[in-house]
Formats: sequence, structure tokens, C-alpha cells
Amino acid sequence: QKEVEQNSGPLSVPEGAIASLNCTYSDRVSQSFFWYRQYSGKSPELIMSIYSNGDKEDGRFTAQLNKASQYVSLLIRDSQPSDSATYLCAADLVAGGTSYGKLTFGQGTILTVHP
Amino acid sequence: EAQVTQNPRYLITVTGKKLTVTCSQNMNHEYMSWYRQDPGLGLRQIYYSMNVEVTDKGDVPEGYKVSRKEKRNFPLILESPSPNQTSLYFCASSFRGTARNYGYTFGSGTRLTVV
Repeated sequence: QKEVEQNSGPLSVPEGAIASLNCTYSDRVSQSFFWYRQYSGKSPELIMSIYSNGDKEDGRFTAQLNKASQYVSLLIRDSQPSDSATYLCAADLVAGGTSYGKLTFGQGTILTVHP
Repeated sequence: EAQVTQNPRYLITVTGKKLTVTCSQNMNHEYMSWYRQDPGLGLRQIYYSMNVEVTDKGDVPEGYKVSRKEKRNFPLILESPSPNQTSLYFCASSFRGTARNYGYTFGSGTRLTVV
């Protein structure tokens, strides 16, 4: 079983809609989670990080973390065609309460926002 | 400008010819890591480093070497490249995991072809 799993999609939403991206992880010691956006042929860009249970909002983006269910999600409100990209979920595996920088990525979800 | 710089951007080489991909960051980040990205397999971590002289294997370290002699540099060495190392490589860096601004910045990528 993969440590971080995402639905590869593609996920298609109309402009202005809410896009919902999901990620599950299998390792209960994972403590820090990240959402990255990657345009075709480009490097990943950090959108948000989340460490605590609950929601974290930044502009049009909301990350949600549920450690009991081992579930992380990203909501994109008012989706724009420029949001069309691959969205990567990543988990930082922690040992002894310390992050060692050993990130594990999901395979990514392709999002298409159509006008 | 705060950035992670990788060189070269593109490289075509022959099997067995040693090569080095350089990575440098100007943000005084403690953590640095290398990833390869392959279609259908996503981003996989090769090596990571918590600080100078502290490195550890990621998920796919075979065939690669790294060193961290200076905080800003983290070169990736392929002693005897093989065609299965043809891939898109990314270097990334971050402040340590306990920092409020923990989150990785990626370089622009190196597309390596081994023939």
C-alpha cells in the first residue's frame, strides 16, 4: 500500500465552482502535510502546509486535516482556468517527534477548470 | 531573489559516464533533498539532508550519491549512470521542520537523458 494516495483524476470543474482534492495517508506518525501545485513541465509550488486537525484557509484555498481518519483535503473556491494543474499532496514522516525532511508525495491529481 | 538553483537544466549523457547535478540555495535553509519524477510514479525522494554533513537515503537511493559539505550546496552524483536513471530531477530546500515557515522550495528541475 502506498503511503500517500491521491485520486489521479482528472478532475474537471467549471469556472467559479469549488474544486475538492483529496489525499489519504497510511502512516500514523505523519505530522506535517503539504499541498503543491505543478504546472506541466514546471517545478512544484507550495500552496499550503497544515499540521493541526481542522481547517486552514489562505485566500481561495482551504486545507483540511483529519488525523483520526488519516485524511487531508484541499478546497479551491471560485476555481479559475489558471488553477488547471496537477495538485500534489505530501506527508512529512516524523520519528521521535522530529521531522527529518523525508517527504513522501502522492501521485497527484490533475485538475482542469473549464470556462 | 530567494531561490533554489539547479544546473544543468538539460543533460544528455552516455551510460557509465559520471555526472554531477548541482543544487544551491540562498535562503539559509537547513533541509535539502533530491527527487526524481517519472510518469505514473510521481515524485520520489532520492536523498535528503537535515544539515551540513547529515544525509540519509530516501525511497530510491540506488545509483546515486550526495554530499553536504556546505549549507547552501547539495550536489547529486551519478557515478555510473544507466538508462533507467533517465528522469526529471528536482532539488528542494526548507527551513527545519520546527520552523513556522516550514515548507519546501523547489528548483527548476534537471531533465536527464542517459543513452
